[in-house]
Amino acid sequence: DIQMTQSPSSLSASVGDRVTITCQASQDINNYLNWYQQKTGKAPKLLIYHASILETGVPSRFSGSGSGTDFTLTISSLQPEDIATYYCQQYDNVPRTFGQGTKLEIK
Amino acid sequence: EVQLVESGGGLVQPGRSLRLSCTTSGFTFGDFAMSWFRQAPGKGLEWVTFIRRKAHGGATEYAASVKGRFTISRDDSKSIASLQMNGLKTEDTAMYYCTRGFETPRHWGQGTLVTVSS
Repeated sequence: DIQMTQSPSSLSASVGDRVTITCQASQDINNYLNWYQQKTGKAPKLLIYHASILETGVPSRFSGSGSGTDFTLTISSLQPEDIATYYCQQYDNVPRTFGQGTKLEIK
Repeated sequence: EVQLVESGGGLVQPGRSLRLSCTTSGFTFGDFAMSWFRQAPGKGLEWVTFIRRKAHGGATEYAASVKGRFTISRDDSKSIASLQMNGLKTEDTAMYYCTRGFETPRHWGQGTLVTVSS
């Protein structure tokens, strides 16, 4: 199975800050990587797929980058509505596997 | 508008069975694979299973933790995906979500809660 290691597990930042979350795969996943946002009590929402393609309707302050085994989700200017837990997930192989999540809080 | 609505969750004793349904609308169901994910209380997301569309043989894949106990199926005539869960364990307690697709699931249901407890 492909292991996905996400960091940090939690993060506190101020409105307007640039926020970066990283995700490392245990092997090359050919950029088959999704990023999700999950707000409390809600289903996950797809933000980015294929490592860097922004899903329709997602604000442009979100971006994804990386290749091979190392990936990054960046929020360029943190907004209060971005409070959520963020997950990376690979879809190169079965079983699909997730990072453990990053809980983002506002200072 | 694409909609997915899960149902069938509830409280069940260990070892018993439960069948979840995902009723869909707003798209041509037969053109898409369908997946199930779950999330234990306070924990992260876990992929459970997916079923490809019939044009791709309707092939299925399962997480090791449920293989041999859970079965995914689809009824294209009714636009419903189902998850038959047998031999339930306490560690199967989770919110179960169905999604459209198996690579970039952009449409999720609201989830149905399964609690396995004596």
